[in-house]
Amino acid sequence: DQQVKQNSPSLSVQEGRISILNCDYTNSMFDYFLWYKKYPAEGPTFLISISSIKDKNEDGRFTVFLNKSAKHLSLHIVPSQPGDSAVYFCAASGLSGGSNYKLTFGKGTLLTVNP
Amino acid sequence: GAGVSQSPSNKVTEKGKDVELRCDPISGHTALYWYRQSLGQGLEFLIYFQGNSAPDKSGLPSDRFSAERTGGSVSTLTIQRTQQEDSAVYLCASRGGQVGGEAFFGQGTRLTVV
Repeated sequence: DQQVKQNSPSLSVQEGRISILNCDYTNSMFDYFLWYKKYPAEGPTFLISISSIKDKNEDGRFTVFLNKSAKHLSLHIVPSQPGDSAVYFCAASGLSGGSNYKLTFGKGTLLTVNP
Repeated sequence: GAGVSQSPSNKVTEKGKDVELRCDPISGHTALYWYRQSLGQGLEFLIYFQGNSAPDKSGLPSDRFSAERTGGSVSTLTIQRTQQEDSAVYLCASRGGQVGGEAFFGQGTRLTVV
């Protein structure tokens, strides 16, 4: 039972254009969402997060949108750069410590930004 | 160090041998997670420690896998009688107990069972 789903295994965009990565979740107990980026042979690195009390969080070129009613979130990267090419993971958890603090990840989307 | 440290970075072992993988989390972080990533796959949850609570072992794939966290700090993941399908990158992450907050990952241990 996959509680966090990234249905697109890969995405290819041109440099300078917008990249949109999507994520869906099924567990209504999730109230904190994170995006991670992973390069080959490295551990995932944190990009941006959003709590369920917000519908948008922006950090530089990265914006995460949350639609709670649809149980959907997306990561927008604009403008996309070749260095953004990596695997992007969506993750979800409860907000605070305890059993609901477990981080559940999607399977990832490989983003390729072409020069 | 300031980050999550995992050792060894690479491990090649013969099928049937036991291996131990170590994780040193960020000091003060109450939550510690183990995941693994097999070739071409996503991040598979293995086990989660939160403070002094009983760990969530729901992701361990078989009873050959076990983990402990001593003194609320260092964690060891043990795989007994390794099989070729255990070959993967094993990732450890730690997270503070505050509201929200991101988890910080180590570089991982690449395990190859031959």
